[in-house]
Amino acid sequence: QVQLVESGGSLVTPGGSLRLSCAASGFNFSDYYMTWIRQAPGKGLEWISYITSTGGIMYYADSMKGRLTISRDNAKNWVHLQMNTLRAEDTAMYFCARRRQGGSRGAFDLWGQGTMVTVSS
Amino acid sequence: QSALTQPASVSGSPGQSITISCTGSSSDVGAYNYVSWYQQHPDKAPKLMIFDVNNRPSGVSDRFSGSKSGNTASLTISGLQAEDEADYYCNSYTKNNIVVFGGGTKLTVL
Repeated sequence: QVQLVESGGSLVTPGGSLRLSCAASGFNFSDYYMTWIRQAPGKGLEWISYITSTGGIMYYADSMKGRLTISRDNAKNWVHLQMNTLRAEDTAMYFCARRRQGGSRGAFDLWGQGTMVTVSS
Repeated sequence: QSALTQPASVSGSPGQSITISCTGSSSDVGAYNYVSWYQQHPDKAPKLMIFDVNNRPSGVSDRFSGSKSGNTASLTISGLQAEDEADYYCNSYTKNNIVVFGGGTKLTVL
């Protein structure tokens, strides 16, 4: 079954850290760029990070640059997002998504169900 | 990385057509043919409906179409159906592999 399943979301205090994970299955994971997108409660989508298929290049949104590290394990079909120095405004559902093949930049054709991160004291 | 501008809401009756606009700048929408559109039902993950301005993924109804003129992209839904009621988001590729989303549009089918 072609799917992405996120995990790792939880309640964390301001200034804390969290590592989100996304397990991929049913497709050739190492062929795809992967990305993380978040959605604050009642708000819109916000792209936050990208990693190339080989894991050699990573990109980050300015809003979280310096506090994020994206990584992947192509042998085990995982992509991870390490988030540090979390703030209340980072409270959101975090989605893992696959970028469509063929160079369609910004086209994410497979999404996970999301994992919720709540930053609160 | 300013968000793209979408109307907060649009509405239409069953069978009608509606268009949702997505306005960016010469650094994103106007610069690249990499605009995508997503449909999101409540408490669900987004679904890709249009990619590269006007292409539909396999399985997406041909009632959905996309276009672009200058710095503004548009999503048109023809023959509105009740199940089309959802939030719709556009996004665009920008320089340096950055992606920016629109603020979202709530579609109500009357």
